[in-house]
Parts: sequence; C-alpha cells; structure tokens
Amino acid sequence: NAGVTQTPKFQVLKTGQSMTLQCAQDMNHEYMSWYRQDPGMGLRLIHYSVGAGITDQGEVPNGYNVSRSTTEDFPLRLLSAAPSQTSVYFCASSYSSSRPSDTQYFGPGTRLTVL
Amino acid sequence: DAKTTQPPSMDCAEGRAANLPCNHSTISGNEYVYWYRQIHSQGPQYIIHGLKNNETNEMASLIITEDRKSSTLILPHATLRDTAVYYCIVRVLNAGNNRKLIWGLGTSLAVNP
Repeated sequence: NAGVTQTPKFQVLKTGQSMTLQCAQDMNHEYMSWYRQDPGMGLRLIHYSVGAGITDQGEVPNGYNVSRSTTEDFPLRLLSAAPSQTSVYFCASSYSSSRPSDTQYFGPGTRLTVL
Repeated sequence: DAKTTQPPSMDCAEGRAANLPCNHSTISGNEYVYWYRQIHSQGPQYIIHGLKNNETNEMASLIITEDRKSSTLILPHATLRDTAVYYCIVRVLNAGNNRKLIWGLGTSLAVNP
C-alpha cells in the first residue's frame, strides 16, 4: 500500500511551458484534491474531485486544469506556466468528503519552479 | 480566509507536554476542528479531530472549550521528532456538502533537548 504518490518530486519550467503533475492513490479513495503551498501562506485548495468524472474548483483554480478519469489518478495540468505558479504542490485523498472521520492523506509534494 | 487563529511559534522542552492553542471564535455548530502537522517540507499528517467532546488518540489529546470558540492540542510527552508546523483547521461545507479545509499559517513548534 503506497498511499498517495506524486511525480515528479522536482520540476523546473520556463514561462509558457505546459506540464502535468501526477497524483495517484491506491486506497480506493473517492475524494482527491490539489493544494499549493507558498512561503508565509497556508495550503490553498486548487481543485478537488469527489469521484471519477467529477471535479470542482477550489480557492485558486486559475491557470490549472484537472480531470478524474479513474478513481486512482488525479493529474493537475499547468496550461501555460507562469512565475506566480512557483510553489510546492500537494495532492491529498480521503475515503469520502462527507463524513467527519474522513481525514486526508497527503503525498510528498512536487516542488515546481517557473523561470 | 482562514477561520482559525494560532500563535506563530512555540517552544517546548523534550519530554514535557506541548500545549498548542487555537482560536476559532466564529465556528458554527456543525463544524469540526481538525489538527494536522507538517514536518519540514513533507506533506501534512493528520493528528486528531473533534466536535464538542475532548478526544484522545495515540498521538495527542484535543481539548475543546464548552463554547467551542477555542481548543488546545496536547502532545503529552514531546520528542524532537514532534518539531513541526501544527495546523488547526475547521471544516467548511460548500453548497454540495463537500468538504473544504481552510488552512491558516499554523504554529511552528520547536521541541528543544
């Protein structure tokens, strides 16, 4: 049981490039989400999904796309990278999103730098 | 915006209890309080959660005041490995009854030998 995995661990992009951050979980969790964490700020929710085929926007969705074609995978796409997207990105999952006991499990993070 | 207030930093001696306070004065009746921690640059780790009653698990205890406007996370015997940023979070439900956790800046706890 690997939990929540994220790839890559580190990435450097040039402004305007696109890329996909991968996230996978092997716990059969319905709920998955993406956060970004910047210095001096708490985690901010980018997008989330309550099940395959269902996604919704979080606090800071601009510049990011997501899809959820399977229960296991929840990739985050940067369409045209900007320096403001330099951040640490965390993926998280939980069994569902409606019960108080549904605590979130986080991946190790992807550290992205946009030049 | 975050709905909790925590001191930015605290110190604790190794082996002593660490008491981390959190203010959530605008919490509503059906909102839970969650605590997570983040060690160095790793992903956050769940610690404990509660609604009204005090809670205890193998990691910590959570004391919630009767009016629910504040809570305290207690690490009974802090070790060096407990050095981390501790986040107190209230559960927010959006219109679809799906959970969004609003994260603040947390408390940076330093456990000293």
